[in-house]
This record gives sequence, C-alpha cells and structure tokens, in this order.
Amino acid sequence: DIQMTQSPSSVSASAGDRVTITCRASQGIANWLGWYQQKPGKAPKLLIYAASSLQNGVPSRFSGSGSGTDFTLTINSLQPEDFATYYCQQANSFPLTFGGGTRVEI
Amino acid sequence: QVLLVQSGAEVKKPGASVKVSCEASGDNFTNYYTHWVRQAPGQGLEWMGIINPSGGSTSYAQNFKGRVSVTRDTSTNTVYMELSSLRSEDTAVYFCARAPPYDDYFYYWGPGTLVTVSS
Repeated sequence: DIQMTQSPSSVSASAGDRVTITCRASQGIANWLGWYQQKPGKAPKLLIYAASSLQNGVPSRFSGSGSGTDFTLTINSLQPEDFATYYCQQANSFPLTFGGGTRVEI
Repeated sequence: QVLLVQSGAEVKKPGASVKVSCEASGDNFTNYYTHWVRQAPGQGLEWMGIINPSGGSTSYAQNFKGRVSVTRDTSTNTVYMELSSLRSEDTAVYFCARAPPYDDYFYYWGPGTLVTVSS
C-alpha cells in the first residue's frame, strides 16, 4: 500500500496569511494526487486533482504542485471560510489512501 | 447537479451486519464508479472499496476483505455497502463518493451515514 504522510498535522494562521501543506507518498505516484477540504460534520470537498488542477468552482487562492513523491497545497490570502481540515489522497493505485490530515485553525 | 442521498444513522450490536444505501441522481448512473470511504470519530479518511455500476465489478481494501460487500441496483440508481461482523472499531461515518472511470478522485460525496456499534 502507498502511505501518504502529511505535514504539519495542524497549523495556526490568521486571515490573509499564506498556508502551505505538504504531502509525501511512500513511492512515486506521478501526478495522481488530490486535495480535499473538510469542515466539521460535512463530507470532504475536492479542491485539486492531478496534483495541480483546480476543481470547478474552487477559488484561485488554492493551488497545488508537485509530482513523484512530494506535493504541496498552498492557500494564498487565507479566508475565514478556509479554516478546516485538509487531506491529500493518492489516486495512483488501489487501495486508495489518504494522508492523516492537516487542521488549519486560527 | 449530481446528488447522493444516503440512508439514515444505524446502531448495531457487535457481531451484527449493517447495510448502508447511496442513491444517485442528476447524472447517468453508470457514468461514475461509486466508492465507499469511512471516517472514525475524530480520525482521518479510510477507503473501503469501489463498484463499477455498469458491470457490477468490485474491488475492496484488504482491511475489509471478507467483511464488506458492495452491490448496486441499476433500476433505482442505488449502491449498497454491507459490512458484517461489526466491532466497536467500525463505529464511523460512512460516505459514498463518485468518481469517473478514468481517475479515482472523489468529485461527488454523499452526506455520510453514522454507524454506531455498541453493546
């Protein structure tokens, strides 16, 4: 199984800040990497797919980069509605696996 | 607009089985594969398995093999996930999610179904 390791596990930030979350795969996954946002009591929401492609309707302050084993999610100019938990997910092979999550909090 | 509606919360005793449903609307049912992902309280996301609604073929995570079964009813656009031999560690919210056949990103999610396993 491919293990996905996210860091940090939590980050404190303020509105207007730039936040960077990293995700490392235990083996190369090309660009088969997605990022999700989850708010308490809600289902996750797809933000980024194929490592850097923005899902329809997602604000442009979200961006993704990376390939192979190292990936990054960047949130520019953090907005109040961005405080949530973020997960990476590899889509390279079964079983699909997720990172442990990064909580972005005030 | 794809909409996934899941069945309601369940409380089960250890050793029992649970069957959760996921009804899809707003798209061609056979255009997307349906996955099941669960989330224990305060924990991360765990993929359980997938079904191709067109042919009914399935694939399951090793952690659940032998205990999970995913089926579909094309006449009602509904996918079912049954988990057997329940234990307390299976207490979680179970999500269905849909992905196109050409990639495995979860573009659409159901609201989740809480399954509580308690004696």
